[in-house]
Amino acid sequence: NAGVTQTPKFQVLKTGQSMTLQCAQDMNHEYMSWYRQDPGMGLRLIHYSVGAGITDQGEVPNGYNVSRSTTEDFPLRLLSAAPSQTSVYFCASSSSSGTRKLFFGSGTQLSVL
Amino acid sequence: AQKVTQAQTEISVVEKEDVTLDCVYETRDTTYYLFWYKQPPSGELVFLIRRNSFDEQNEISGRYSWNFQKSTSSFNFTITASQVVDSAVYFCALSEPFSSGSARQLTFGSGTQLTVLP
Repeated sequence: NAGVTQTPKFQVLKTGQSMTLQCAQDMNHEYMSWYRQDPGMGLRLIHYSVGAGITDQGEVPNGYNVSRSTTEDFPLRLLSAAPSQTSVYFCASSSSSGTRKLFFGSGTQLSVL
Repeated sequence: AQKVTQAQTEISVVEKEDVTLDCVYETRDTTYYLFWYKQPPSGELVFLIRRNSFDEQNEISGRYSWNFQKSTSSFNFTITASQVVDSAVYFCALSEPFSSGSARQLTFGSGTQLTVLP
């Protein structure tokens, strides 16, 4: 199994550009989420989804959009990138039952100039 | 509001020393999970352990052990006989309460950078 796959691994954007970070999981997990990691701040929740068609905001949702049209995919969209969005982004998924263990993707390093 | 505090920003030890990473959490809830994750220099997040709030038994897995004390809201992590490969950032995390519809949302501490010197 591939687990949680994130693309791209690295991305450089100019201020104002838009882009989508892709996340896909092949474990049939209902729950998916996006976190950003900044130095000295740990990981902070951006958006999450408890199933196809259902999304909700986390701690730091401003500047990001998400949608969940399928169980497998949970893309994160930056509509107008800002330097404050320079960060490492992690996608995670979890089953609706059991351990509530989050399975993380390998991360996307995003730089906004 | 939930909060996880990892007061040790950086720790440096010499190989074979024991090291304890501290984690203190705040929550008003009585049912929750606590986690430890490891982030090696390669950047991925590796799950180490999950503990639920009902189970205060300490756990040992090889050189790793965890001490959960609900009375002090602490979930400390000890590495015995540390090795260079243990060098990483370690994150403690707290879940939403079981009663929440999304008990998979985690609140992370800021992490502890552990460096094990040869």
